[in-house]
Amino acid sequence: DAKTTQPPSMDCAEGRAANLPCNHSTISGNEYVYWYRQIHSQGPQYIIHGLKNNETNEMASLIITEDRKSSTLILPHATLRDTAVYYCIVRVPITGTASKLTFGTGTRLQVTL
Amino acid sequence: SAVISQKPSRDICQRGTSLTIQCQVDSQVTMMFWYRQQPGQSLTLIATANQGSEATYESGFVIDKFPISRPNLTFSTLTVSNMSPEDSSIYLCSVLILPRGTEAFFGQGTRLTVV
Repeated sequence: DAKTTQPPSMDCAEGRAANLPCNHSTISGNEYVYWYRQIHSQGPQYIIHGLKNNETNEMASLIITEDRKSSTLILPHATLRDTAVYYCIVRVPITGTASKLTFGTGTRLQVTL
Repeated sequence: SAVISQKPSRDICQRGTSLTIQCQVDSQVTMMFWYRQQPGQSLTLIATANQGSEATYESGFVIDKFPISRPNLTFSTLTVSNMSPEDSSIYLCSVLILPRGTEAFFGQGTRLTVV
C-alpha cells in the first residue's frame, strides 16, 4: 500500500468547513483513497473512499487531484462532534487476502467554538 | 453494515497472566482482523483471523503471544498471553463483508492495562 502524509493536527471553527489534506505521491493506478476517523475512545469509523473522481456522501466530500498524488477530505460544516483523528489510507480494492488496512499517524482535528 | 461487540470493554490485569478478548458480530462476515493501538499511537494490525485455520500474523506478532481463534463466521477471540506492562493497549476487532467490502467496521475496543 502507498504511503500517505498528513499534517499532525488542525483546528477548525465550528460551522466552518474543515479541509484535511493528504499526500500520496506514490499511489498506484488501482489504489483507492480511503478516509476513516477515530473519535476518542471509540473504534475507527469509515467516512468515504474514491479512486479518481470526486465523491460526496452524507458525511463528507473527497476531492482527488487529477494526478491522484493528493486528496482533501472536506467536512462542510464542522461541529464539535467532528473532533477526532482522521486517517487517510491508500490501498487496493478490498478483496480476499489484500484486505488489511495500514493506518498512518493521521490528523488530529480539533473543532472549537 | 455490521454491529461488533467486544468483551471485555476494559480490564486491569496482573503481569504474567493472560486475557482473552471476544469479538461477536451480528452477521456473517468474510474477514476478521485484530488491531492493537498503543497509548497515543495509531492502529497496528496484529493478525487476520481465518475461519477454521491458523491466523495470519503480521511481522512482529507471534501466535504464542497472541493466539487467535475463529470457530465460525461471526465470532473470534484474541488472547494476550503472559502479559507485561508493554502490552497495555487498546485491542480492536475489525470486520469486512465481501464481496462488497468497501469499508471495514470496527468494534469499540478493549482497553487493557497491565500492572
